[in-house]
Amino acid sequence: DQQVKQNSPSLSVQEGRISILNCDYTNSMFDYFLWYKKYPAEGPTFLISISSIKDKNEDGRFTVFLNKSAKHLSLHIVPSQPGDSAVYFCAEYIRGDQFYFGTGTSLTVIP
Amino acid sequence: NAGVTQTPKFRVLKTGQSMTLLCAQDMNHEYMYWYRQDPGMGLRLIHYSVGEGTTAKGEVPDGYNVSRLKKQNFLLGLESAAPSQTSVYFCASSYLASEAFFGQGTRLTVV
Repeated sequence: DQQVKQNSPSLSVQEGRISILNCDYTNSMFDYFLWYKKYPAEGPTFLISISSIKDKNEDGRFTVFLNKSAKHLSLHIVPSQPGDSAVYFCAEYIRGDQFYFGTGTSLTVIP
Repeated sequence: NAGVTQTPKFRVLKTGQSMTLLCAQDMNHEYMYWYRQDPGMGLRLIHYSVGEGTTAKGEVPDGYNVSRLKKQNFLLGLESAAPSQTSVYFCASSYLASEAFFGQGTRLTVV
């Protein structure tokens, strides 16, 4: 059974608007979550993370929110830019175990 | 710094052939991972290693073997390739349990 779920395979937003990518998880024993960005024909690159003791982490245009009661996290990109068009993966790390990745959401930012 | 380097980048195999994918990292990372990415499936862990001389099974280990004889290298072997192993393979490394750095990927087609 999928430990980390990204229920939206794709998302389109206008340039300058907010992009919100969502991720749901089942295991509460995680250490932290990470978001990765992937362009075609390239490997995923790390974007931002959030530890289990926080509910928000911000880095420039990127903010990740963690709602532990709902077992849900989201990545906000404001303002969205055409260069943000990529596939975004959320990943869960459980100490002593491994990274569990979601299936990814393909974001298209329309100029 | 090269980061994580995968060899080869592309390969076409016939069913039943064998091959080895090489992953090399120059960041002195302890942990190394092999993932496969298939449409709609996200990144699934095949095998991983938490240090030189150690390996462990991930989510989808069947049909693959690995070796970590040197800290900087992690080899993924296919003894008898099958069409179901057609995929994009990514190697990653991390310092203990921090974020993972990925290679550029190997696109493997088994005909």
